[in-house]
Amino acid sequence: GAGVSQSPSNKVTEKGKDVELRCDPISGHTALYWYRQSLGQGLEFLIYFQGNSAPDKSGLPSDRFSAERTGGSVSTLTIQRTQQEDSAVYLCASVNWGMGDYGYTFGSGTRLTVV
Amino acid sequence: DQQVKQNSPSLSVQEGRISILNCDYTNSMFDYFLWYKKYPAEGPTFLISISSIKDKNEDGRFTVFLNKSAKHLSLHIVPSQPGDSAVYFCAASSAGGTSYGKLTFGQGTILTVHP
Repeated sequence: GAGVSQSPSNKVTEKGKDVELRCDPISGHTALYWYRQSLGQGLEFLIYFQGNSAPDKSGLPSDRFSAERTGGSVSTLTIQRTQQEDSAVYLCASVNWGMGDYGYTFGSGTRLTVV
Repeated sequence: DQQVKQNSPSLSVQEGRISILNCDYTNSMFDYFLWYKKYPAEGPTFLISISSIKDKNEDGRFTVFLNKSAKHLSLHIVPSQPGDSAVYFCAASSAGGTSYGKLTFGQGTILTVHP
């Protein structure tokens, strides 16, 4: 597609439920990042994909968080047993390294609210 | 620890005047710096960047200055326009190693330009 697409745009879930957030990157972009922005905070790195593998998962806050990427394209971020502190905007970015300037293109994000 | 800091949560300027947004960093390994602009309900978009081998980079109304000894960078917008009203994020990265192009973001500064 023309841009990075994220779904859903908004998600309200009850504490303890699992949620899946989806990112559809720009076609041909091999690198994909997940970040999140909690209230009053900057963007916090979660995980990086190169193709289908994740060389850097160091930002995942706990083992309740996992992510996968299939076919070198769509990525899914899963949060199990959600907690209120998981409430944040989750942003996905895909990258075309050939563009320089890191070529990050962000999606519009998924606003997750855990009640 | 917050490796990239934007100490001013907000800034208000009059249309036509200069806007100066500041950013400080602590990690001396950072060698590439970027500014992103974010409107509500949208993902951040790339604005301007600077490599550590330079101390200034200019693009139209936007200029970024880097003071490596002080570990400080600033974004100047001249003249400011109401459409510049947005959240501005400073970000930093280090080339090579295991950085994988990962960006470390500041908390953001809300810029409001009054007509």
